[in-house]
Amino acid sequence: QQQVKQSPQSLIVQKGGISIINCAYENTAFDYFPWYQQFPGKGPALLIAIRPDVSEKKEGRFTISFNKSAKQFSLHIMDSQPGDSATYFCAFRTGANNLFFGTGTRLTVIP
Amino acid sequence: EADIYQTPRYLVIGTGKKITLECSQTMGHDKMYWYQQDPGMELHLIHYSYGVNSTEKGDLSSESTVSRIRTEHFPLTLESARPSHTSQYLCASSSPGANQPQHFGDGTRLSIL
Repeated sequence: QQQVKQSPQSLIVQKGGISIINCAYENTAFDYFPWYQQFPGKGPALLIAIRPDVSEKKEGRFTISFNKSAKQFSLHIMDSQPGDSATYFCAFRTGANNLFFGTGTRLTVIP
Repeated sequence: EADIYQTPRYLVIGTGKKITLECSQTMGHDKMYWYQQDPGMELHLIHYSYGVNSTEKGDLSSESTVSRIRTEHFPLTLESARPSHTSQYLCASSSPGANQPQHFGDGTRLSIL
């Protein structure tokens, strides 16, 4: 049962450019939307998170934009750096306080 | 900085063997989780625990079992490994309460021959 759709599957961005990753969900009961970053050989780590009563949240170069009516939210990475090259997962919290993860986006930032 | 440890990091073993993947955390977190992740793919929750003596099955059906005898320890066991069990297994923990982040270990990459 696919409840989360993440796109694109892979993304190549020039250094200094903007990386944009999108996620769409179906279950309106979700109430917490984190993004996780995973480097090769490592476990995912929380990057930034948002609640649905907020339309945008910014932390440094990372911004989440949330569109509740469209049931979509996106991650924007400004001034992308080679060190940002990783796989990014959106996630959604269920009622049991567990997370559903998206399919992941492999970001490559080229110098 | 989260302190959650998984051993072994890599395991290559033959079919039919019993396997235990270890996970320990030093943060005193009540809730712990096991995820299965194929390379480059999404994470699927296979087990979780609210605390000592609590275990629940996750969203993805798994032939593995877990136990939670101590707060800091959440091992996962496969009684008879099969090639279909080949995957990466990630352990995580979190504090109780809403919106607490999950802290992940670096995973065990399991290959069953």
